[in-house]
Amino acid sequence: DTEVTQTPKHLVMGMTNKKSLKCEQHMGHRAMYWYKQKAKKPPELMFVYSYEKLSINESVPSRFSPECPNSSLLNLHLHALQPEDSALYLCASSQGRLERHGYTFGSGTRLTVV
Amino acid sequence: SQQGEEDPQALSIQEGENATMNCSYKTSINNLQWYRQNSGRGLVHLILIRSNEREKHSGRLRVTLDTSKKSSSLLITASRAADTASYFCATDAPTGTASKLTFGTGTRLQVTL
Repeated sequence: DTEVTQTPKHLVMGMTNKKSLKCEQHMGHRAMYWYKQKAKKPPELMFVYSYEKLSINESVPSRFSPECPNSSLLNLHLHALQPEDSALYLCASSQGRLERHGYTFGSGTRLTVV
Repeated sequence: SQQGEEDPQALSIQEGENATMNCSYKTSINNLQWYRQNSGRGLVHLILIRSNEREKHSGRLRVTLDTSKKSSSLLITASRAADTASYFCATDAPTGTASKLTFGTGTRLQVTL
């Protein structure tokens, strides 16, 4: 299995809702990432998990809460989002430090906050 | 924050022509990677070049890296309509605990028949 699977593919949520984005990989990668991408912009790093521990938080607002239950799963819990949080949310995984093969990205969750 | 700038922002060529994209970055890196993205979906890793390498080839792709100028280029030879996509360079910088990939601004490539 050489894929990163993200669910759901599309999500529409109200500003008072709580929802979660899910990401799964079975490549034995020890690092997992959340990126946010607005239209016609490059992806921006949100969080990095290394060996199931949060190692980088790029000053992301607390309404985004990441969770890594095990080495194959990564969640992003969403609560009280704003319309400007609407974007494509991308999950990725990699071997970790001393990269040789690049990151593997999922196809993303397109989030719309209404 | 964005690490790199890419130029051109957009490039339109005919099938069979070569496409060259350039990337500049600001800080020291472990490696530099190039990705392709179709229609705002997931990114596909194309090629990785380490900081101690100067040139790398993969199929129709050729990547160069000049660490003294903090710049890289991606050449796609004999382009095809299927190469139409956005292309991003991304720098992998040392962080101490984990890899951290930061993307450039991207080049939108349009290949016409």
